[in-house]
Amino acid sequence: KQEVTQIPAALSVPEGENLVLNCSFTDSAIYNLQWFRQDPGKGLTSLLLIQSSQREQTSGRLNASLDKSSGRSTLYIAASQPGDSATYLCAVRAGSARQLTFGSGTQLTVLP
Amino acid sequence: EAGVAQSPRYKIIEKRQSVAFWCNPISGHATLYWYQQILGQGPKLLIQFQNNGVVDDSQLPKDRFSAERLKGVDSTLKIQPAKLEDSAVYLCASSRGLEFDGYTFGSGTRLTVV
Repeated sequence: KQEVTQIPAALSVPEGENLVLNCSFTDSAIYNLQWFRQDPGKGLTSLLLIQSSQREQTSGRLNASLDKSSGRSTLYIAASQPGDSATYLCAVRAGSARQLTFGSGTQLTVLP
Repeated sequence: EAGVAQSPRYKIIEKRQSVAFWCNPISGHATLYWYQQILGQGPKLLIQFQNNGVVDDSQLPKDRFSAERLKGVDSTLKIQPAKLEDSAVYLCASSRGLEFDGYTFGSGTRLTVV
């Protein structure tokens, strides 16, 4: 059974810092990995989708990497802003039913 | 393209009452998912549809939860009777169904059972 772990559970940084969020998964036989952002009381917004054959994806200040063999992904946020404050969720798509399995998320607070 | 639509946005009910949530996926998306997200946790899959057939409902509490996707388009998730522990956000997502596709989520329905 696929398990996804995110560390740390919560992170607080001052504005302007670069930061890294970590995600690990137990079964490396994945189709892809997706990073989401969730604001309080809201749904999930997709940030980046990395296919199993890819090593990284970039969107603006965000860069996500994937090391399938070691079962790890990182989300790098450059020059953090207070508007980046949210919960960041990592999810892997795997299995015969091609389902997404989520981690518990990292709650990020960027202090002005 | 229009996103995944869900309604209602919020619902408060008493325990033992029934409740239903509605989801309309992105047009052309064959696969539809219902997830339950308890506060402080990641979403957990309840049921997956491929067109109007059930692919996986192994984590759906079938004694009280039911879901249908008639005509392979929109879907309804029902809880009857509700328990306090059902308080959560219910998220609907859709994808084209291919393994390399990403998911698109709706805004969710926040259910509070009192």
